[in-house]
Amino acid sequence: NAGVTQTPKFQVLKTGQSMTLQCAQDMNHEYMSWYRQDPGMGLRLIHYSVGAGITDQGEVPNGYNVSRSTTEDFPLRLLSAAPSQTSVYFCASSYFRGGGGYTFGSGTRLTVV
Amino acid sequence: EDKVVQSPLSLVVHEGDTVTLNCSYEVTNFRSLLWYKQEKKAPTFLFMLTSSGIEKKSGRLSSILDKKELFSILNITATQTGDSAVYLCAIAEGTGNQFYFGTGTSLTVIP
Repeated sequence: NAGVTQTPKFQVLKTGQSMTLQCAQDMNHEYMSWYRQDPGMGLRLIHYSVGAGITDQGEVPNGYNVSRSTTEDFPLRLLSAAPSQTSVYFCASSYFRGGGGYTFGSGTRLTVV
Repeated sequence: EDKVVQSPLSLVVHEGDTVTLNCSYEVTNFRSLLWYKQEKKAPTFLFMLTSSGIEKKSGRLSSILDKKELFSILNITATQTGDSAVYLCAIAEGTGNQFYFGTGTSLTVIP
């Protein structure tokens, strides 16, 4: 089925560990982004990309890296996990930079202990 | 400070009621306003608004934008239990690459 696929769905990390959250879309969307969602804080933009080879920082980029080597994939790397990074992470993609038809993945629930 | 403020934070209504959700915003270079519905999973897209005074409608849901007063409303008529969700408002500004979400309005519809 077409859409945005995120893996894993759940993950528990120890403080200081690193990991990569995977995101893939098969809709040929140019625009991809990563959000984190915390209670009372809403969705906050971490990093985004407007095409292969182009990435930029969002509102809360510290502690995260991204790369966009292909149109389809946009992985998010946690360099050294901290308890403050416990959150639900969503990947999203769109044809339009203005957000029309923004498709979200099903989310990754990450707990850092 | 918050760029997007939604009210009320939560709402409980009975089936058949009409509800109005509010979203006010403050950005320097407005591009578009978006509404999403989030049940216990990923947000799903409802509307994108770019022009004042033009109502977008989809079934029992409708939304309108006022760029002068910097707010939008989402109306749901004849509510059903399936409308229970968190409704998110987001603003795209500048080039449209940066999005700012409100914290959402949690709607519960009681049978």
